[in-house]
Amino acid sequence: GAGVSQSPRYKVAKRGQDVALRCDPISGHVSLFWYQQALGQGPEFLTYFQNEAQLDKSGLPSDRFFAERPEGSVSTLKIQRTQQEDSAVYLCACLQRAGETQYFGPGTRLLVL
Amino acid sequence: GQQLNQSPQSMFIQEGEDVSMNCTSSSIFNTWLWYKQDPGEGPVLLIALYKAGELTSNGRLTAQFGITRKDSFLNISASIPSDVGIYFCAGQRGSNYKLTFGKGTLLTVNP
Repeated sequence: GAGVSQSPRYKVAKRGQDVALRCDPISGHVSLFWYQQALGQGPEFLTYFQNEAQLDKSGLPSDRFFAERPEGSVSTLKIQRTQQEDSAVYLCACLQRAGETQYFGPGTRLLVL
Repeated sequence: GQQLNQSPQSMFIQEGEDVSMNCTSSSIFNTWLWYKQDPGEGPVLLIALYKAGELTSNGRLTAQFGITRKDSFLNISASIPSDVGIYFCAGQRGSNYKLTFGKGTLLTVNP
């Protein structure tokens, strides 16, 4: 497709369950970012990939959060042993080259009960 | 994590009125951006500012990059109902790097 796609769009998990969120970036976009957006807040940076290399994971809130992009295209954000405070919208963004705009996907809305 | 200081938090205006919102930071950014987010969607870029003092327009939208590089404002003129949404400012330090967002301004336009 022409834009960034994310799946699933909605996810309800029981506390303690593991979840995996997928991002399909625009073809050829080298850089990929994950952001977490809590209700009523702006997005907050989680992690950044350039191709398959994870260059910055300073925003990941705990070691329960793990992201990968093994072939430099699709990325997966995994959250282990989910907690209620993990409930948020998880946004993926990508850009083709330095100096260009970050394009955002529609997000995955995660609700942990 | 850090978020920029964005104000106002919300605005209720009549169609046709002008709107102004601003964003401040305690630290310098090299790029300022303004995004709009509709319900159930990701943010969409409205305007990007790359140089201190720069004033840029996009249709009815005008934004400025503050001289100190620590602030920016966005003006919307002659508002219309489809301007409804949440507006976010964002700062960026490097051209290939993460965005730091404000908390957003919720705009409601009464027809």
